Amino acid sequence: AQSVTQLDSQVPVFEEAPVELRCNYSSSVSVYLFWYVQYPNQGLQLLLKYLSGSTLVKGINGFEAEFNKSQTSFHLRKPSVHISDTAEYFCAVSDPSSGGTSYGKLTFGQGTILTVHP
Amino acid sequence: GAGVSQSPRYKVAKRGQDVALRCDPISGHVSLFWYQQALGQGPEFLTYFQNEAQLDKSGLPSDRFFAERPEGSVSTLKIQRTQQEDSAVYLCASSLIREAFFGQGTRLTVV
Repeated sequence: AQSVTQLDSQVPVFEEAPVELRCNYSSSVSVYLFWYVQYPNQGLQLLLKYLSGSTLVKGINGFEAEFNKSQTSFHLRKPSVHISDTAEYFCAVSDPSSGGTSYGKLTFGQGTILTVHP
Repeated sequence: GAGVSQSPRYKVAKRGQDVALRCDPISGHVSLFWYQQALGQGPEFLTYFQNEAQLDKSGLPSDRFFAERPEGSVSTLKIQRTQQEDSAVYLCASSLIREAFFGQGTRLTVV
């Protein structure tokens, strides 16, 4: 069974500072990896995904993540955050061999609340 | 439509009451997923439809939960005899290829 651990439940940071949100997963097979963002009272929005190929993935809003197979990690980074990045971020995995559910049947972590202070 | 639409946005139910939560997926999306998100937790998978066929219901927590998608578009998640532990946000997502799009969710509070 797959599982996802987000190591920090809350990350406070000042505006224009860099940030890293950590994600580790456990799976005995290859995985697809995702980061979603959830603004208050909103649905989940996809930031980026790793399917294969280059281990550095760039997403929307200036975010990027690096897949590290040996460390089973997929940490999310942004070099300079804005107030508007304040939200909850979820890391998720799925099974690439599951056909029609590869992009929708996801195992999520517990979430990291990013708070950007002025 | 422009996105995945869920209704109602908020639902308060008395313990023991039956509830029905509706999901309107993006038009043409074949796959539809339901998730349960408890307070302070990540979403947890409940069930999956491909068109009208419910192909995976491994995440449904009890036989009080069931879902349907009779015409392969709109889906309804029904919870019978609600209990306090059913209080959560219920999220619906739809997918065509390579990305799932989530609705805003229905917040169910059982009192």
